[in-house]
Amino acid sequence: SAVISQKPSRDICQRGTSLTIQCQVDSQVTMMFWYRQQPGQSLTLIATANQGSEATYESGFVIDKFPISRPNLTFSTLTVSNMSPEDSSIYLCSVENRVLRNEQFFGPGTRLTVL
Amino acid sequence: AQTVTQSQPEMSVQEAETVTLSCTYDTSENNYYLFWYKQPPSRQMILVIRQEAYKQQNATENRFSVNFQKAAKSFSLKISDSQLGDTAMYFCAFMKLNAGNMLTFGGGTRLMVKP
Repeated sequence: SAVISQKPSRDICQRGTSLTIQCQVDSQVTMMFWYRQQPGQSLTLIATANQGSEATYESGFVIDKFPISRPNLTFSTLTVSNMSPEDSSIYLCSVENRVLRNEQFFGPGTRLTVL
Repeated sequence: AQTVTQSQPEMSVQEAETVTLSCTYDTSENNYYLFWYKQPPSRQMILVIRQEAYKQQNATENRFSVNFQKAAKSFSLKISDSQLGDTAMYFCAFMKLNAGNMLTFGGGTRLMVKP
Protein backbone atom coordinates (compact mmCIF):
# COMPACT_ATOMS: atom_id res chain seq x y z
CA SER A 1 0.00 0.00 0.00
CA ALA A 2 1.01 3.63 -0.45
CA VAL A 3 1.90 5.93 2.44
CA ILE A 4 0.09 9.21 2.08
CA SER A 5 0.56 12.32 4.18
CA GLN A 6 -1.46 15.51 4.24
CA LYS A 7 -0.57 18.94 5.56
CA PRO A 8 -1.96 20.55 7.57
CA SER A 9 -3.80 17.92 9.56
CA ARG A 10 -6.21 20.58 10.76
CA ASP A 11 -6.67 24.32 10.57
CA ILE A 12 -9.02 27.06 11.70
CA CYS A 13 -9.39 29.85 9.17
CA GLN A 14 -11.18 33.12 8.84
CA ARG A 15 -13.92 33.73 6.34
CA GLY A 16 -12.67 35.11 3.03
CA THR A 17 -9.18 33.63 3.27
CA SER A 18 -7.72 30.71 1.34
CA LEU A 19 -6.01 27.53 2.49
CA THR A 20 -3.77 25.21 0.49
CA ILE A 21 -3.73 21.55 1.48
CA GLN A 22 -0.80 19.38 0.47
CA CYS A 23 -0.87 15.67 -0.32
CA GLN A 24 2.39 13.71 -0.54
CA VAL A 25 2.72 10.06 -1.59
CA ASP A 26 5.73 7.83 -1.02
CA SER A 27 5.58 6.39 -4.54
CA GLN A 28 4.76 7.57 -8.02
CA VAL A 29 1.08 7.35 -8.88
CA THR A 30 -0.83 8.36 -11.96
CA MET A 31 -4.18 9.26 -10.49
CA MET A 32 -4.83 11.32 -7.40
CA PHE A 33 -8.24 12.31 -6.10
CA TRP A 34 -9.56 14.98 -3.76
CA TYR A 35 -12.68 14.38 -1.66
CA ARG A 36 -14.72 16.50 0.70
CA GLN A 37 -16.44 15.08 3.76
CA GLN A 38 -18.82 17.55 5.34
CA PRO A 39 -19.62 17.13 9.05
CA GLY A 40 -21.45 13.87 9.65
CA GLN A 41 -21.65 13.18 5.94
CA SER A 42 -20.17 10.82 3.41
CA LEU A 43 -17.35 11.54 0.98
CA THR A 44 -17.93 13.47 -2.22
CA LEU A 45 -15.38 13.59 -5.02
CA ILE A 46 -14.19 17.10 -5.80
CA ALA A 47 -11.81 16.38 -8.66
CA THR A 48 -9.36 13.96 -10.21
CA ALA A 49 -5.79 15.21 -10.63
CA ASN A 50 -3.49 13.60 -13.17
CA GLN A 51 0.05 14.80 -13.64
CA GLY A 52 0.56 16.87 -16.73
CA SER A 53 -3.07 17.72 -17.33
CA GLU A 54 -5.77 19.93 -15.92
CA ALA A 55 -7.79 18.51 -13.05
CA THR A 56 -11.21 17.12 -13.86
CA TYR A 57 -13.90 18.55 -11.59
CA GLU A 58 -17.14 16.89 -10.58
CA SER A 59 -20.50 18.55 -10.81
CA GLY A 60 -20.86 21.26 -8.21
CA PHE A 61 -17.15 21.99 -7.92
CA VAL A 62 -15.28 24.62 -9.93
CA ILE A 63 -11.65 25.43 -10.48
CA ASP A 64 -11.95 29.00 -9.20
CA LYS A 65 -13.12 27.75 -5.82
CA PHE A 66 -10.92 24.64 -5.60
CA PRO A 67 -7.79 25.11 -7.71
CA ILE A 68 -5.62 22.00 -7.84
CA SER A 69 -1.99 21.55 -8.76
CA ARG A 70 -0.26 18.30 -9.70
CA PRO A 71 3.38 19.17 -10.41
CA ASN A 72 4.73 15.62 -10.29
CA LEU A 73 3.75 12.00 -9.70
CA THR A 74 4.05 12.13 -5.90
CA PHE A 75 2.48 15.45 -4.93
CA SER A 76 -0.70 17.48 -5.27
CA THR A 77 -2.29 20.51 -3.65
CA LEU A 78 -5.89 21.57 -3.21
CA THR A 79 -6.68 25.18 -2.41
CA VAL A 80 -9.96 26.16 -0.82
CA SER A 81 -10.46 29.76 -1.92
CA ASN A 82 -12.45 32.61 -0.42
CA MET A 83 -13.64 30.37 2.36
CA SER A 84 -17.00 30.50 4.08
CA PRO A 85 -18.29 28.48 7.07
CA GLU A 86 -19.95 26.10 4.59
CA ASP A 87 -16.46 24.99 3.53
CA SER A 88 -15.85 23.53 6.98
CA SER A 89 -15.15 19.88 6.19
CA ILE A 90 -12.58 17.16 6.15
CA TYR A 91 -10.64 17.16 2.89
CA LEU A 92 -9.06 13.87 1.88
CA CYS A 93 -6.73 12.97 -0.92
CA SER A 94 -6.50 9.48 -2.30
CA VAL A 95 -4.32 7.71 -4.82
CA GLU A 96 -4.81 4.83 -7.15
CA ASN A 97 -3.30 1.49 -6.15
CA ARG A 98 -0.56 0.92 -8.73
CA VAL A 99 -0.97 -2.86 -8.58
CA LEU A 100 -4.74 -3.16 -8.23
CA ARG A 101 -5.72 -0.21 -10.34
CA ASN A 102 -9.30 -0.24 -9.16
CA GLU A 103 -8.49 0.48 -5.54
CA GLN A 104 -7.73 3.71 -3.76
CA PHE A 105 -5.65 4.48 -0.69
CA PHE A 106 -6.60 7.49 1.37
CA GLY A 107 -4.60 10.09 3.21
CA PRO A 108 -5.37 10.95 6.84
CA GLY A 109 -7.44 13.99 5.90
CA THR A 110 -7.32 17.69 6.73
CA ARG A 111 -9.97 19.00 9.10
CA LEU A 112 -10.86 22.56 8.13
CA THR A 113 -12.96 24.87 10.26
CA VAL A 114 -13.96 28.24 8.86
CA LEU A 115 -15.13 30.90 11.30
CA ALA B 1 -25.36 8.06 -12.49
CA GLN B 2 -24.78 5.55 -9.76
CA THR B 3 -26.25 5.83 -6.29
CA VAL B 4 -25.30 3.94 -3.16
CA THR B 5 -27.65 3.63 -0.20
CA GLN B 6 -26.89 2.54 3.33
CA SER B 7 -30.17 2.30 5.17
CA GLN B 8 -28.74 1.92 8.68
CA PRO B 9 -27.31 5.20 10.01
CA GLU B 10 -26.25 3.57 13.28
CA MET B 11 -25.82 0.07 14.60
CA SER B 12 -24.43 -1.52 17.70
CA VAL B 13 -23.20 -5.02 18.50
CA GLN B 14 -21.82 -6.78 21.53
CA GLU B 15 -18.18 -7.73 21.45
CA ALA B 16 -17.60 -11.19 19.95
CA GLU B 17 -20.96 -11.23 18.21
CA THR B 18 -21.75 -10.91 14.52
CA VAL B 19 -23.23 -7.89 12.77
CA THR B 20 -24.33 -7.25 9.19
CA LEU B 21 -24.29 -3.85 7.54
CA SER B 22 -26.55 -3.28 4.54
CA CYS B 23 -25.78 -1.59 1.24
CA THR B 24 -27.77 -1.32 -1.95
CA TYR B 25 -26.80 0.43 -5.14
CA ASP B 26 -28.34 1.46 -8.40
CA THR B 27 -26.53 1.17 -11.70
CA SER B 28 -27.10 0.18 -15.29
CA GLU B 29 -23.53 -1.10 -15.58
CA ASN B 30 -22.71 -4.79 -15.75
CA ASN B 31 -19.05 -4.58 -14.75
CA TYR B 32 -18.01 -2.68 -11.68
CA TYR B 33 -16.33 -2.94 -8.29
CA LEU B 34 -17.79 -2.62 -4.82
CA PHE B 35 -15.92 -1.75 -1.66
CA TRP B 36 -16.38 -1.40 2.05
CA TYR B 37 -14.26 1.24 3.75
CA LYS B 38 -13.85 1.77 7.48
CA GLN B 39 -13.28 5.22 8.99
CA PRO B 40 -12.39 5.13 12.71
CA PRO B 41 -12.33 8.30 14.81
CA SER B 42 -8.80 8.93 13.55
CA ARG B 43 -10.43 9.85 10.18
CA GLN B 44 -8.20 7.44 8.26
CA MET B 45 -10.15 5.66 5.52
CA ILE B 46 -9.20 1.99 5.49
CA LEU B 47 -10.18 -0.44 2.77
CA VAL B 48 -11.88 -3.44 4.38
CA ILE B 49 -12.90 -5.57 1.43
CA ARG B 50 -13.55 -5.41 -2.31
CA GLN B 51 -15.76 -7.36 -4.69
CA GLU B 52 -15.58 -7.58 -8.46
CA ALA B 53 -19.05 -7.74 -9.99
CA TYR B 54 -18.05 -10.46 -12.44
CA LYS B 55 -17.14 -12.81 -9.60
CA GLN B 56 -19.95 -14.86 -8.18
CA GLN B 57 -17.95 -15.92 -5.13
CA ASN B 58 -18.35 -13.63 -2.17
CA ALA B 59 -15.16 -11.94 -0.97
CA THR B 60 -13.79 -12.66 2.49
CA GLU B 61 -11.01 -11.05 4.52
CA ASN B 62 -10.48 -12.72 7.88
CA ARG B 63 -13.48 -11.72 10.03
CA PHE B 64 -15.05 -9.69 7.24
CA SER B 65 -17.17 -11.16 4.47
CA VAL B 66 -19.71 -9.86 2.01
CA ASN B 67 -22.99 -11.11 0.66
CA PHE B 68 -23.05 -9.90 -2.93
CA GLN B 69 -26.39 -10.26 -4.67
CA LYS B 70 -25.90 -8.80 -8.15
CA ALA B 71 -29.46 -9.18 -9.36
CA ALA B 72 -30.77 -7.50 -6.24
CA LYS B 73 -27.96 -4.91 -6.33
CA SER B 74 -27.17 -5.64 -2.74
CA PHE B 75 -23.75 -5.75 -1.07
CA SER B 76 -23.86 -6.36 2.68
CA LEU B 77 -20.88 -6.63 5.02
CA LYS B 78 -20.74 -9.21 7.77
CA ILE B 79 -18.35 -8.73 10.66
CA SER B 80 -17.82 -11.85 12.73
CA ASP B 81 -16.40 -11.97 16.25
CA SER B 82 -16.73 -8.20 16.57
CA GLN B 83 -13.91 -6.41 18.35
CA LEU B 84 -13.81 -3.06 20.09
CA GLY B 85 -11.46 -1.83 17.37
CA ASP B 86 -14.20 -2.37 14.80
CA THR B 87 -16.00 0.69 16.17
CA ALA B 88 -16.04 3.10 13.23
CA MET B 89 -18.02 4.56 10.37
CA TYR B 90 -18.41 2.09 7.53
CA PHE B 91 -18.89 3.27 3.97
CA CYS B 92 -20.02 1.22 1.03
CA ALA B 93 -18.62 2.44 -2.30
CA PHE B 94 -19.15 1.77 -6.00
CA MET B 95 -16.66 2.10 -8.84
CA LYS B 96 -17.58 1.85 -12.50
CA LEU B 97 -14.93 0.26 -14.71
CA ASN B 98 -12.97 2.43 -17.11
CA ALA B 99 -14.55 5.64 -15.94
CA GLY B 100 -11.71 7.43 -14.24
CA ASN B 101 -11.77 5.15 -11.20
CA MET B 102 -14.01 7.49 -9.28
CA LEU B 103 -15.72 6.17 -6.17
CA THR B 104 -19.35 6.83 -5.28
CA PHE B 105 -19.94 6.46 -1.56
CA GLY B 106 -23.00 5.59 0.47
CA GLY B 107 -24.03 7.72 3.41
CA GLY B 108 -22.28 5.52 5.94
CA THR B 109 -23.22 3.40 8.95
CA ARG B 110 -21.86 4.20 12.38
CA LEU B 111 -21.02 0.95 14.15
CA MET B 112 -20.49 0.78 17.88
CA VAL B 113 -19.04 -2.39 19.39
CA LYS B 114 -19.94 -2.64 23.05
CA PRO B 115 -17.86 -4.49 25.64
